[in-house]
Amino acid sequence: GDSVTQMEGPVTLSEEAFLTINCTYTATGYPSLFWYVQYPGEGLQLLLKATKADDKGSNKGFEATYRKETTSFHLEKGSVQVSDSAVYFCALKGTGNQFYFGTGTSLTVIP
Amino acid sequence: EAGVAQSPRYKIIEKRQSVAFWCNPISGHATLYWYQQILGQGPKLLIQFQNNGVVDDSQLPKDRFSAERLKGVDSTLKIQPAKLEDSAVYLCASSFQASSYNEQFFGPGTRLTVL
Repeated sequence: GDSVTQMEGPVTLSEEAFLTINCTYTATGYPSLFWYVQYPGEGLQLLLKATKADDKGSNKGFEATYRKETTSFHLEKGSVQVSDSAVYFCALKGTGNQFYFGTGTSLTVIP
Repeated sequence: EAGVAQSPRYKIIEKRQSVAFWCNPISGHATLYWYQQILGQGPKLLIQFQNNGVVDDSQLPKDRFSAERLKGVDSTLKIQPAKLEDSAVYLCASSFQASSYNEQFFGPGTRLTVL
């Protein structure tokens, strides 16, 4: 069945460091891919999405490219800030319209 | 615009008791989702409504869980009787439609502890 595997955390980075959080997926057909973020004490928010192969989603300096050949949707940011500290979830929406979430990666950015 | 509302925010019950959660989606959103998020895991979809009809409930443990959205607006999720493994955060989300092009907006969740 459809599933998402994402890099385990926690991840701790210094401010202005480069961030990569890996996400790979298994799906039949052509899923849509998402990154959600959960800031401390808040609900899940959509960060970015891509609905077809080679699409690049971007928001708030974060980017992820839908790579069909490697079944990946890695999240990247060139220079993280303390305010980026949160839990990041990779997710896919399969052809059955059901959402599958990864287990989440906790990011802490230290000044 | 008001977000997705959920209540209560926290609930502690003993096993074998019953509990109900309430969700009010964003006004005008036809699609409503209930998720279960166990500590250390990602959210798992329990049930999806389109207006007042069920679209997907394949992962809902129907022997103890039930959900309804009678008027196509707010929704309740019930657990009866609760088990220890039901301890989790229950998230409600809504979207304008079920399409991948429509963002899901999540509520703050209800944290359930079963003792």
